[in-house]
Amino acid sequence: EAGVAQSPRYKIIEKRQSVAFWCNPISGHATLYWYQQILGQGPKLLIQFQNNGVVDDSQLPKDRFSAERLKGVDSTLKIQPAKLEDSAVYLCASSLRSGWGNEQFFGPGTRLTVL
Amino acid sequence: AQSVTQPDIHITVSEGASLELRCNYSYGATPYLFWYVQSPGQGLQLLLKYFSGDTLVQGIKGFEAEFKRSQSSFNLRKPSVHWSDAAEYFCAVASNSGYSTLTFGKGTMLLVSP
Repeated sequence: EAGVAQSPRYKIIEKRQSVAFWCNPISGHATLYWYQQILGQGPKLLIQFQNNGVVDDSQLPKDRFSAERLKGVDSTLKIQPAKLEDSAVYLCASSLRSGWGNEQFFGPGTRLTVL
Repeated sequence: AQSVTQPDIHITVSEGASLELRCNYSYGATPYLFWYVQSPGQGLQLLLKYFSGDTLVQGIKGFEAEFKRSQSSFNLRKPSVHWSDAAEYFCAVASNSGYSTLTFGKGTMLLVSP
């Protein structure tokens, strides 16, 4: 079974530029998550989708971050404009359904450096 | 609000020695607890989880963890560490209601010396 795919793996941009990350979850997984992992910290949930609807985006900085999951499969996370403090690894995860009993499977992440 | 504390940022263990990584949680009800491992350049992999029942939980790769409600702890253990265990380990807690968001600790980096 293929795992969660993410691209690009690395991205370097200057502040105030825009950037987008792509995630393809495990086939059949209804729930998709985007996490931000700043160096030296654990992952922090940014947004959670159930199929193509948002169920939790309480920690997403909505003035600059946006995410969509068209057709309930792939997802894109965008930052516009980027700030220095956005430098982090962005992890995508998926699970069959939402809720505590469903294991989340993580992709390898996209490492973003903002100069 | 739920939270997780991993008091040790780095731990160095000799290969073949035993390992214990500490995790303390804060949650108002019965928590759901997890340990994940993250190798360099890799995503997180679930080692084990505790939902209820037996407080000693067995996981993959020879790891186990013990839930102690009185101490609000969920420490990870392994009797004999292998060089391939060098990685970062994250403890996480999930609420038992709603969409059960995962809250992670800051992680403990495990270094294995020859």
